[in-house]
Parts: sequence; structure tokens; C-alpha cells
Amino acid sequence: AQSVTQPDIHITVSEGASLELRCNYSYGATPYLFWYVQSPGQGLQLLLKYFSGDTLVQGIKGFEAEFKRSQSSFNLRKPSVHWSDAAEYFCAVVPDTNAGKSTFGDGTTLTVKP
Amino acid sequence: DAGVIQSPRHEVTEMGQEVTLRCKPISGHNSLFWYRQTMMRGLELLIYFNNNVPIDDSGMPEDRFSAKMPNASFSTLKIQPSEPRDSAVYFCASRPKLTDRDGNYGYTFGSGTRLTVV
Repeated sequence: AQSVTQPDIHITVSEGASLELRCNYSYGATPYLFWYVQSPGQGLQLLLKYFSGDTLVQGIKGFEAEFKRSQSSFNLRKPSVHWSDAAEYFCAVVPDTNAGKSTFGDGTTLTVKP
Repeated sequence: DAGVIQSPRHEVTEMGQEVTLRCKPISGHNSLFWYRQTMMRGLELLIYFNNNVPIDDSGMPEDRFSAKMPNASFSTLKIQPSEPRDSAVYFCASRPKLTDRDGNYGYTFGSGTRLTVV
């Protein structure tokens, strides 16, 4: 069965520093990949997705992610973190169009230090 | 578009009572998902529907939980009787029809219902 691993439960970065959140998936073929963000008291919001083509995808709020097939990874990055980026981030995969449902990682909580 | 609308936002009920959570998906979306989120268990998929038909309910904890989708614009999740361990945030999410061309498989989540069973 497919799985999604987010190795870091909690990350702390200083405001203005760069950020990278890791995501690894286990699946035979290339799945469809997503990153979501959840602010306190809110539902999850889609940040970006990878479907095919260019392996570097741009999302909302200045985030980007790079798909690396050889490493089965889809890491999320931001060059300069803002205090408002403090939230929980979830990586998710849909294995193929017939799978129907996404598999979510356990999430990474981001704390931003002033 | 108003997004996925869930009601109520907060629900406090006594153990043994029936609880009904409601969801209105985005118009035109044909898949609907119910999730439960707790600190201990994280985000759990309870059930999902395609075209109003339940496809996978393997995540429904037990017979006390039931979900319906009588039409494309409305779904309910019912817990009867409720227990303290059901306390969680329940999310509804919807997604447009799957097509290969745009890979638009991303979910739109509602703001959730925070359920407290005392």
C-alpha cells in the first residue's frame, strides 16, 4: 500500500530564514503529490500540487516544491519564512486516477521564531 | 464560491446523545470526504463518496457512525450514541471530478466542526 512519510514532526526556524519540509512517498509509479497547510482552528488549504512536467512547482504564499523521482521525495521550500507561516503542513499523495482518495502524511508543525 | 461549508462550527453534547454534522460541498465537485482529526491519531479518513455513492467506509470507527449524501449538495455524518472518545474536529472536504488532463485532484476543506462529548 502507498504511504507518505514526513520525517520531521516539528521544525523551528527564525523569521526570514529559509525553510525545507521533507516528504517521502512509497509507491511504484509516480503519484500525484500535494502539500497542504493548516493554520490553527482552520481546515487544510492546498498550497501546491505536482501532476506532471516540470519537477519544480510553484504554489501560493511563496512556497515551492521539487519532485525528485530518484529519491521518492517531494520537499516543500520557502526562501524566507514569515511569522504568519507558522502552521501545520501536510504532504499527500493520490496514487492514480482510480485510487480516489489521498493518503496524508502525519504532518510537520512549523514554529517561527521572531 | 463560498467554499465547503460545515455546520455547526462547535458542538458540545452529553454522552449518549445523537450528533449530526453537516456539510455542503463546492458546487460541481463530485467527491466528498469526511475526516476526523485528533492530537493522538492525526487526520483519519472516515468515509468518502463519489457522485453521492459511498465508495469506502472502512475508516468509520463502528456502527455508531453513519454518513449519508442524499444529493450532490449535502452530506451528513451522524454519531448515535456519542461517546467522549468521539471528541475531535471533523472535517468535510470536496474535490472535482478526476481527469487526467489537469491533475486537479486537490481537496478543498471546510473549516471543521469541533465536537466535544462530555
